[in-house]
Amino acid sequence: QSVLTQPPSVSGAPGQRVIISCAGSGSNIGANFDVHWYRQVPGTAPKVVIYSDTNRPSGVPDRFSGSKSGTSASLAITGLQAEDEGNYFCQTYDSSLTGSWVFGGGTKLTVL
Amino acid sequence: EVQLLESGGGLVSPGGSLRLSCVASGFTFSDYTMTWVRQAPGKGLEWVSSIGGSGDTTYQPDSVKGRLIISRDNSKNTLYLHLNSLRVEDSAIYYCARVPISVGPPDWGQGTLVTVSS
Repeated sequence: QSVLTQPPSVSGAPGQRVIISCAGSGSNIGANFDVHWYRQVPGTAPKVVIYSDTNRPSGVPDRFSGSKSGTSASLAITGLQAEDEGNYFCQTYDSSLTGSWVFGGGTKLTVL
Repeated sequence: EVQLLESGGGLVSPGGSLRLSCVASGFTFSDYTMTWVRQAPGKGLEWVSSIGGSGDTTYQPDSVKGRLIISRDNSKNTLYLHLNSLRVEDSAIYYCARVPISVGPPDWGQGTLVTVSS
């Protein structure tokens, strides 16, 4: 049971827009801790696609964007491409246990 | 460029022990809190332990307390995870990660696989 709640799967056709949600609580997202988003392809390490709520690392297309409001965060991907497929995880920190990282269960993105 | 390179994984019997290492480069190691995260086969990500820059302060969930022990040697730019009394459910890829100081992305290594099986 993950601390952060994500939909197990989302899908979209090439060119469409998808949104992946990440629901937390007042001790994590709602406490204004930074939310990071990762994409993971099987057999490889997670790679950051959005950090500190809304920021894109160098090399990540501007089709990826992040937002946060209250106790939830979202990752939006526009102009969907086949290469965007993978598992997406959200991650933040939690004040209930000092130093802890908390994760969403992951969302599998399928490009139809 | 920040680099984190894990090693030390392998096959171990239940009840056995293992020491994982993570060698860091590209930044001032002692300035950063470091973290271990694991991922069981086909499962999600699980935080295992964190340690402050000086090594004086450690953090971990109750689920691993006393069995998985984090430490660091700042003179060697190396983070460790000592795995004791291993259980089948400890089988996972173990990643080390650097905690950003302010606004910034966490940096992750490529992981090392631990398999606990008889």
